[in-house]
Amino acid sequence: LAKTTQPISMDSYEGQEVNITCSHNNIATNDYITWYQQFPSQGPRFIIQGYKTKVTNEVASLFIPADRKSSTLSLPRVSLSDTAVYYCLVGDMNGGANNLFFGTGTRLTVIP
Amino acid sequence: EADIYQTPRYLVIGTGKKITLECSQTMGHDKMYWYQQDPGMELHLIHYSYGVNSTEKGDLSSESTVSRIRTEHFPLTLESARPSHTSQYLCASSEFSGALLAFFGQGTRLTVV
Repeated sequence: LAKTTQPISMDSYEGQEVNITCSHNNIATNDYITWYQQFPSQGPRFIIQGYKTKVTNEVASLFIPADRKSSTLSLPRVSLSDTAVYYCLVGDMNGGANNLFFGTGTRLTVIP
Repeated sequence: EADIYQTPRYLVIGTGKKITLECSQTMGHDKMYWYQQDPGMELHLIHYSYGVNSTEKGDLSSESTVSRIRTEHFPLTLESARPSHTSQYLCASSEFSGALLAFFGQGTRLTVV
């Protein structure tokens, strides 16, 4: 299971773009990179997943360099409602339950 | 929206009582999970299942037990609740070949007094 490292916390003003980087130096060939968002008192919610290059959906973009040893979640023009904890997960899609390891995540606080 | 439901949403119960936290999903997912999370802290995997009649303990030792008699249902039981069991319990499910694409319920916040 690839170990991930991400900042403990980040602050951003409303309307700014926020980039959260996750390091995963030991990522394996079959591993995917997945990001979740968790609001207080709720379960985590899937945001985006990628294997390489760039993935974009209606919520965020995910940038993955060629060596795949890191990834960056980009949230465009954040609002107060984006205040949450963001988790980076790396693992095999056919892997076991330990692939859903959430770690400490990055606590994003959006400031008015 | 994810079709995974947890009941009750909140529960306050006395020490020594037996409780069962319910979790049901209508997506036909084989894999189901229970996590425990204290406020502001990490999620800890306490139980998981890969299908009917399959249950395993997770990384965090827990005095709770689970069962998986039907695909859609994965209840968690505490035989004798204690104040140390006070926490939020989150249930999740995923397809067998979609280990990283999990859907979570809203959680049950348990308080043992």
